[in-house]
Amino acid sequence: QITLKESGPTLVKPTQTLTLTCTFSGFSLSTSGVGVGWIRQPPGKALEWLALIYWDDDKRYSPSLKSRLTITKDTSKNQVVLTMTNMDPVDTATYYCAQRKLVAGVIFDYWGQGTLVTVSS
Amino acid sequence: DIQMTQSPSTLSASVGDRVTITCRASQSISSWLAWYQQKPGKAPKLLIYKASSLESGVPSRFSGSGSGTEFTLTISSLQPDDFATYYCQQYNSYSRTWTFGQGTKVEIK
Repeated sequence: QITLKESGPTLVKPTQTLTLTCTFSGFSLSTSGVGVGWIRQPPGKALEWLALIYWDDDKRYSPSLKSRLTITKDTSKNQVVLTMTNMDPVDTATYYCAQRKLVAGVIFDYWGQGTLVTVSS
Repeated sequence: DIQMTQSPSTLSASVGDRVTITCRASQSISSWLAWYQQKPGKAPKLLIYKASSLESGVPSRFSGSGSGTEFTLTISSLQPDDFATYYCQQYNSYSRTWTFGQGTKVEIK
């Protein structure tokens, strides 16, 4: 059974750095083809893909946020960490991590429950 | 970047109706298009990938079609459990970035 769960602060101040952890089970990020991504959703708005890390440590970032994002993995702990610098109130959103479906391309078939992050002073 | 535009933004329908949602890409994405369903307070659920492939466990009343820049998601007979917001996502491998549409909310008429 594949599960993913996001954890991290629920409230951050403007200009601070956000660090979110995705802890997963039921698969290994050392298996060829596997990837874990982050997607966010501001309240009442659409989904936005942020970053993706592959089993071979290849990384992809949203061009509009690339300068602020870092994604890393700890295979031994079954965790993926996303950091986002210089947080702003517009970054208030539910942040999801999700597993890449093992087909050509990048789509997500298993998702965490999401964690709401509010940016406010 | 490839932009995805869904229409309509909101759709009012009744149980049993045939419902069609459209997603347009700003450039050709071949068949690299997925559809998700999201209910309030829940994570999205993958319904269809590669434009027309039904994800395992998804009811057959859901179907997808299209290629290039225009795609549709059809629900053949709307059920009470189908009232939700639907998102398309392009995953053109050449772009190496992946974008979602703005969503279509299916409401009870």
